[in-house]
Amino acid sequence: KAGVTQTPRYLIKTRGQQVTLSCSPISGHRSVSWYQQTPGQGLQFLFEYFSETQRNKGNFPGRFSGRQFSNSRSEMNVSTLELGDSALYLCASSSVGQETQYFGPGTRLLVL
Amino acid sequence: EDKVVQSPLSLVVHEGDTVTLNCSYEVTNFRSLLWYKQEKKAPTFLFMLTSSGIEKKSGRLSSILDKKELFSILNITATQTGDSAVYLCAVLPSGGSYIPTFGRGTSLIVHP
Repeated sequence: KAGVTQTPRYLIKTRGQQVTLSCSPISGHRSVSWYQQTPGQGLQFLFEYFSETQRNKGNFPGRFSGRQFSNSRSEMNVSTLELGDSALYLCASSSVGQETQYFGPGTRLLVL
Repeated sequence: EDKVVQSPLSLVVHEGDTVTLNCSYEVTNFRSLLWYKQEKKAPTFLFMLTSSGIEKKSGRLSSILDKKELFSILNITATQTGDSAVYLCAVLPSGGSYIPTFGRGTSLIVHP
């Protein structure tokens, strides 16, 4: 099976812009979670989608949003980018009833 | 608020050494504890622990959970340079919500 894929792998944006990141889960996995990883805060949970519905949400401002499509692919959007949004954004998928998540390679976002 | 603390934050050893990484946690309702290895980008799953005192092993890696004292350890014997990575510990709460809490990780460097 192919692993979790994320696009783009690297992105440079300026403050105030918005960005959309994409994640394709492992085939058959219906749960997709997003994380932000920074040196200062570590790995922090953003949100989880299951069957096109946001099932859980972490403690991030409303500028961070996401959605999931019927094929389980997910997108994450960050509007009005701030310097502090520079981070590695990781997506992880899992199948129903499985607690183990499989992570994608991440999207490295740099906000200038 | 759930909390996961890993120690040490970083560790430098030579090939052949044995290392022990620690993870302590405070969580309202515990379901499971997971260990991941993160080399360059994507964390990869190592172990999931749900019961106290049962050791999980995979080659030179092993892990055990103590639910009474609220901690887990990850042991790596006969370390190799390929073990160099950040090791992440995460705790999952019970109940319907799937919001893992990650520790900041232990950075392990193995010198030849």
